[in-house]
Amino acid sequence: GESVGLHLPTLSVQEGDNSIINCAYSNSASDYFIWYKQESGKGPQFIIDIRSNMDKRQGQRVTVLLNKTVKHLSLQIAATQPGDSAVYFCAENREDSSYKLIFGSGTRLLVRP
Amino acid sequence: DSGVTQTPKHLITATGQRVTLRCSPRSGDLSVYWYQQSLDQGLQFLIQYYNGEERAKGNILERFSAQQFPDLHSELNLSSLELGDSALYFCASSVGPEEKLFFGSGTQLSVL
Repeated sequence: GESVGLHLPTLSVQEGDNSIINCAYSNSASDYFIWYKQESGKGPQFIIDIRSNMDKRQGQRVTVLLNKTVKHLSLQIAATQPGDSAVYFCAENREDSSYKLIFGSGTRLLVRP
Repeated sequence: DSGVTQTPKHLITATGQRVTLRCSPRSGDLSVYWYQQSLDQGLQFLIQYYNGEERAKGNILERFSAQQFPDLHSELNLSSLELGDSALYFCASSVGPEEKLFFGSGTQLSVL
């Protein structure tokens, strides 16, 4: 399938610490990237996006970094809170004749109190 | 609340049957997407519609079909259901292609 097979890595952090979630994308022609958060039993929720003409974008408590040279995307969450516990997905706009938003396999973030 | 509405929330059916999942996009959104999420495959892109027309296709099975109606709501039809079709099916919408997607809460399909 177009989604990477699921072997979900887990990141465990202490409440109040910063979290960094990484993602490697596959298509060097991808020009738009999005991070989503999915809580148990809910649909993916938009967090932040970035286009390929940028290296960094900041939101509220979140920062996305894009390194096109090595096809790497990261999501930084500052002062991680228990409510941040969820699965985080990166998604890339894979431009192969039509727009398709393809999701990575996801990372589970566990926040320890 | 994303503004995307999916019905039903849960669906239990038997192998060989046919079901229809429904999606109402956010007000003003012209694009509708369908994704399948199962435990061993993550979020798989199925199909995209824009203003009533099919725009992009993923690994959607021939037993599955979808359409987007003039009022922009969409339906995903799954037929000759198999056990392996059990999954969460998400609908998402966006203003247009190449814009961020907003997801509904999903339909949990269980094929017994």
